[in-house]
Amino acid sequence: GNSVTQMEGPVTLSEEAFLTINCTYTATGYPSLFWYVQYPGEGLQLLLKATKADDKGSNKGFEATYRKETTSFHLEKGSVQVSDSAVYFCALNPGSARQLTFGSGTQLTVLP
Amino acid sequence: DGGITQSPKYLFRKEGQNVTLSCEQNLNHDAMYWYRQDPGQGLRLIYYSQIVNDFQKGDIAEGYSVSREKKESFPLTVTSAQKNPTAFYLCASNMVSGANVLTFGAGSRLTVL
Repeated sequence: GNSVTQMEGPVTLSEEAFLTINCTYTATGYPSLFWYVQYPGEGLQLLLKATKADDKGSNKGFEATYRKETTSFHLEKGSVQVSDSAVYFCALNPGSARQLTFGSGTQLTVLP
Repeated sequence: DGGITQSPKYLFRKEGQNVTLSCEQNLNHDAMYWYRQDPGQGLRLIYYSQIVNDFQKGDIAEGYSVSREKKESFPLTVTSAQKNPTAFYLCASNMVSGANVLTFGAGSRLTVL
């Protein structure tokens, strides 16, 4: 079946530090991959996506590259801010209008 | 602005009572979903609907019921049969075709006293 494995949190960084949140997946075929972000008390928002191998999704300084050879979609940001504190979810869509599969989420706290 | 409206945002319920959570979207999306989120855990799919008057069980449908009488609306009823209903409930929607990007509501937090 399809599954997403995320780096366990919580992750605590100082402002301007480099961020990596690891995400690996198991899926048949060629899934689309997503990162969603959830700020405290809110729903999830799409952060970025990639629909095929070697695509790089980017938004708000965050980036992730779809690596088919390592089945990974790691989230990176060069310099985090306090406002990036949130829970980050990796997800995949196996295609054919099937439902998304989510990872367990990684809590990020950025300290000033 | 287009989006998903969930209500109420906070809800308290006594054991043995049914409660209905509202979800309305004005995005003209075909499909709607209900997820449950527990602390430190990912999202688990309760029910989903890809077309009016049709819906399917997700991974944890026991103790829940839904209806889809209108394209815009997908209410979730948490019944007394749900053994551990205290959680954060998220409604989402998307178009069936395309990259399947989900749009989420702000969530409803249910606490059973």
